[in-house]
Amino acid sequence: KAGVTQTPRYLIKTRGQQVTLSCSPISGHRSVSWYQQTPGQGLQFLFEYFSETQRNKGNFPGRFSGRQFSNSRSEMNVSTLELGDSALYLCASSLAQGTYEQYFGPGTRLTVT
Amino acid sequence: GQQLNQSPQSMFIQEGEDVSMNCTSSSIFNTWLWYKQDPGEGPVLLIALYKAGELTSNGRLTAQFGITRKDSFLNISASIPSDVGIYFCAANYGQNFVFGPGTRLSVLP
Repeated sequence: KAGVTQTPRYLIKTRGQQVTLSCSPISGHRSVSWYQQTPGQGLQFLFEYFSETQRNKGNFPGRFSGRQFSNSRSEMNVSTLELGDSALYLCASSLAQGTYEQYFGPGTRLTVT
Repeated sequence: GQQLNQSPQSMFIQEGEDVSMNCTSSSIFNTWLWYKQDPGEGPVLLIALYKAGELTSNGRLTAQFGITRKDSFLNISASIPSDVGIYFCAANYGQNFVFGPGTRLSVLP
């Protein structure tokens, strides 16, 4: 069974631009969560989507948004990029909302210059 | 807010040695999980614990959910070079997760 895939793997953007990251969960998994990982803050929860609806949200500004499609694939968008948004963005899938066994993708490394 | 503390922050061990690391909090959690992350990759789930006092093994790995529900430990027996990486604990409150800062493990041949 294929794992979680994330595209692109690497991305370089400049301040003020926006970016969209994509995540395809494991087949049959309906919940997708997004995390930001930085050396200083570690792994921080962004939001969780289940059945195309955002179910939970972490403590991030409104510039961070996401959506989920009917096939469970998810996208995350960051608008008006700031230098501090440089991070590894990880997507994790699980069978259902509130299922704690999450399986992570390899991440998208975003660098903002 | 909820916060997890992991110790040690980093450790260097000889191949073949046993390893022990733990994760503590001042808050009570319902689920504890342990992940391992290799450079350039996402975390991989190692063990999930759902009941206070639960002891679970996965090969050479053993983890326990503390009786107080405020801590968990992970043991690795007979370490091998591929055990190198960062080990994260995670715990759930409500339907969100919080992750610890990680323990960086280095295995010397």
